[in-house]
Amino acid sequence: KAGVTQTPRYLIKTRGQQVTLSCSPISGHRSVSWYQQTPGQGLQFLFEYFSETQRNKGNFPGRFSGRQFSNSRSEMNVSTLELGDSALYLCASSSDSDRYGYTFGSGTRLTVV
Amino acid sequence: AQSVSQHNHHVILSEAASLELGCNYSYGGTVNLFWYVQYPGQHLQLLLKYFSGDPLVKGIKGFEAEFIKSKFSFNLRKPSVQWSDTAEYFCAVNTNAGKSTFGDGTTLTVKP
Repeated sequence: KAGVTQTPRYLIKTRGQQVTLSCSPISGHRSVSWYQQTPGQGLQFLFEYFSETQRNKGNFPGRFSGRQFSNSRSEMNVSTLELGDSALYLCASSSDSDRYGYTFGSGTRLTVV
Repeated sequence: AQSVSQHNHHVILSEAASLELGCNYSYGGTVNLFWYVQYPGQHLQLLLKYFSGDPLVKGIKGFEAEFIKSKFSFNLRKPSVQWSDTAEYFCAVNTNAGKSTFGDGTTLTVKP
């Protein structure tokens, strides 16, 4: 079956702009989780969406938001970008039947200049 | 809040050496435990998982892990590493649906 697809792969944005990242989960997976990965902080949980509802949220400011559509595809949005938002953003899909073992996408590399 | 600690940041081994990577977590309730691996240039992938039952679980590529509840540990082992095992390894704890907490990762370098 197809894996988790994240688009775009790379983004360069200017401080103050906003960005939207997209994630298509594995077919049948209704849970989509987002992580920020940086060399200094490792993998930090952003939020999880399940059946179009945010079910879990990490400790990120309100500039980070997301949503999920009826087909389980998810987007995350970062507004008013800061230099510190430069990171690899990972999407992972999972299911309750698999106890939330993740299948990750390749990530979106965001660079804020 | 739960936390995950991986004891070694960087491990260097020669081929055929045995591997053990430590992972401890802090959470008093029921957990699902995972090890993920990220090979150079590739995305994170699931290596093995523990939910319940036999505390010794086997994963892909000859890896295994042992859950010791009394020690809150889930250490990863492999009897004989290969150069192709060079990668970064992450331990993760899942306690709440689609939210997992990851350790900082251990970089394994295997010298041929």
